[in-house]
Amino acid sequence: DTGVSQDPRHKITKRGQNVTFRCDPISEHNRLYWYRQTLGQGPEFLTYFQNEAQLEKSRLLSDRFSAERPKGSFSTLEIQRTEQGDSAMYLCASSFGPSSGNTIYFGEGSWLTVV
Amino acid sequence: SQQGEEDPQALSIQEGENATMNCSYKTSINNLQWYRQNSGRGLVHLILIRSNEREKHSGRLRVTLDTSKKSSSLLITASRAADTASYFCATNIQGAQKLVFGQGTRLTINP
Repeated sequence: DTGVSQDPRHKITKRGQNVTFRCDPISEHNRLYWYRQTLGQGPEFLTYFQNEAQLEKSRLLSDRFSAERPKGSFSTLEIQRTEQGDSAMYLCASSFGPSSGNTIYFGEGSWLTVV
Repeated sequence: SQQGEEDPQALSIQEGENATMNCSYKTSINNLQWYRQNSGRGLVHLILIRSNEREKHSGRLRVTLDTSKKSSSLLITASRAADTASYFCATNIQGAQKLVFGQGTRLTINP
């Protein structure tokens, strides 16, 4: 079992550019989550998928953010027209089960720096 | 707003001592999960305790849950330098599908 995999691990981009992060969850996990974490803070929920359906989105997920999980396996998180305030670590997590009551496993995160 | 509040925000102890971190939350939960995060890394799952459980152990970790007080504690016994990290509690709120995190406790173990 390879765990939750995220790519790239680090990304530096100029303000206004688009960036895309990929997440490969633990195989057979049907639930996938995206979180954002800034320095000194706890992770904040962005969005959640059950299989390919995006079931919940945070108000933090502005119109510039879009997440997909087209085949219920890997997921992508795209940020369009990046702003300096988007600089953060983007964490992906996955879990298995019919409900949300099971262990949620996190990846190593993707660091985004917007200059 | 944050569901969980960890206390203390920072803790520094000597190697070999026990470390206790507390977490309080506001609404009814299905379960509470504790995570460790080393600087710049992802979160490592430590332990999950369900709302109908009062105490769980895993190695040097002991977690308690008091749903009447809406609080949990994480005890690390016989601390090691490698335990230096940030520790987060995360609550799975009833009726919600996500975990809500507190701001964490930064633990420093001095050799």
